[in-house]
Amino acid sequence: DQQVKQNSPSLSVQEGRISILNCDYTNSMFDYFLWYKKYPAEGPTFLISISSIKDKNEDGRFTVFLNKSAKHLSLHIVPSQPGDSAVYFCAATKNTGGFKTIFGAGTRLFVKA
Amino acid sequence: DVKVTQSSRYLVKRTGEKVFLECVQDMDHENMFWYRQDPGLGLRLIYFSYDVKMKEKGDIPEGYSVSREKKERFSLILESASTNQTSMYLCASSLGGGAGRGYTEAFFGQGTRLTVV
Repeated sequence: DQQVKQNSPSLSVQEGRISILNCDYTNSMFDYFLWYKKYPAEGPTFLISISSIKDKNEDGRFTVFLNKSAKHLSLHIVPSQPGDSAVYFCAATKNTGGFKTIFGAGTRLFVKA
Repeated sequence: DVKVTQSSRYLVKRTGEKVFLECVQDMDHENMFWYRQDPGLGLRLIYFSYDVKMKEKGDIPEGYSVSREKKERFSLILESASTNQTSMYLCASSLGGGAGRGYTEAFFGQGTRLTVV
């Protein structure tokens, strides 16, 4: 049973436009939500996070929105750049003594120059 | 700069072999994780540990075990490797969730691509 779902395997966007990546989750007990970016042959790197008590967090070109009633979050990248082309993973975590983190399947973003 | 180091980038093992994947972090993190990444399935949690000698099963622990004898080292063990364990294995670490401390992000190693033949 996938607790974190990214239903779009890939997304293609023109440079300078907005990229919107979506993520849905099923467990209302998650405390934090995160986005990671992964280039080929590298481990994922942290991008941005949001606490379950907030509905928006912004960091430069990246904004994450959380809609708790819909159990949905999204990552907005504005403006998109060719260097943003990567696989983006949505993740959710809950405190079980440690922080157990569950990842989605990922969305591959292509930003065309 | 946080560093998570996995002992091998590429590994080829035979079916039935016992395989050890090692991971070391240098930031005194309490939490350590093992994931496997497969196309279309994303990162799936195998095991995680929130303290020395403490471990908790993830979503796909079958066929795997782990060992955490020291805080900086977390080992993943394939007791008897099978071809369906061919995958990219990723280790990660993060600060613990003690009282009053919020979540901090996980730092990943570069991955070990394991092929079981």
